[in-house]
Amino acid sequence: QVQLVQSGAEVKKPGASVKVSCKASGYTFTNYLIHWVRQAPGQRLEWMGWINGGNGNTKYSQKFQDKVTITRDTSATTAYMELSSLRFEDTAVYYCAREYSSSTGRAFDIWGQGTLVTVSS
Amino acid sequence: EIVMTQSPATLSVSPGERATLSCRASQSVSSNLAWYQQKPGQAPRLLIYGASTRASGIPASFSGSGSGTEFTLTISSLQSEDFAVYYCQQYTNWPYTFGQGTKLEIK
Repeated sequence: QVQLVQSGAEVKKPGASVKVSCKASGYTFTNYLIHWVRQAPGQRLEWMGWINGGNGNTKYSQKFQDKVTITRDTSATTAYMELSSLRFEDTAVYYCAREYSSSTGRAFDIWGQGTLVTVSS
Repeated sequence: EIVMTQSPATLSVSPGERATLSCRASQSVSSNLAWYQQKPGQAPRLLIYGASTRASGIPASFSGSGSGTEFTLTISSLQSEDFAVYYCQQYTNWPYTFGQGTKLEIK
């Protein structure tokens, strides 16, 4: 079935970097965008950026422009999100999500299970 | 950045009754709006996109309406599994933005 499976929870120190993976299966990886969304404790969902699974083009939220790098490996049908210079406030669950697009609209139709990143000294 | 505001923050409804959730955009998003359901410890689940199109596998008890800046999600007859947090999201402009959520709880 169509699914996105993310890598496991991470604990990092302030100033470190973290790289989260998102393995796609059950569909043609190169035909879709993959988005990254984060959810800090008690906060709303926050869009970070996307990558085009086909050509590798990316788009980032201005808030995360200098902090996040999204890449993909088509042979592994996997997208990656690397977050640098971690701060305590980066503690959150990070989700990847596939963008579905049709004549009637777009949305994130398939989500990964989420990866908890904890920043702690 | 388009700000999405949902109301109410918490809605208490009895099973079998109807629930109406609202979402307002700070500027027009046309019909570029989606609704998601999230249960504790789970990823969001797509319910509605294009303001009113149900996603695959979503029961007809869920319906969306609105355009421009005012949107509504209606659940016609609440089942126990419907009690969750609901988010709206606009995808007219980057950054895509979400509302703060409405928690639907059992009365």
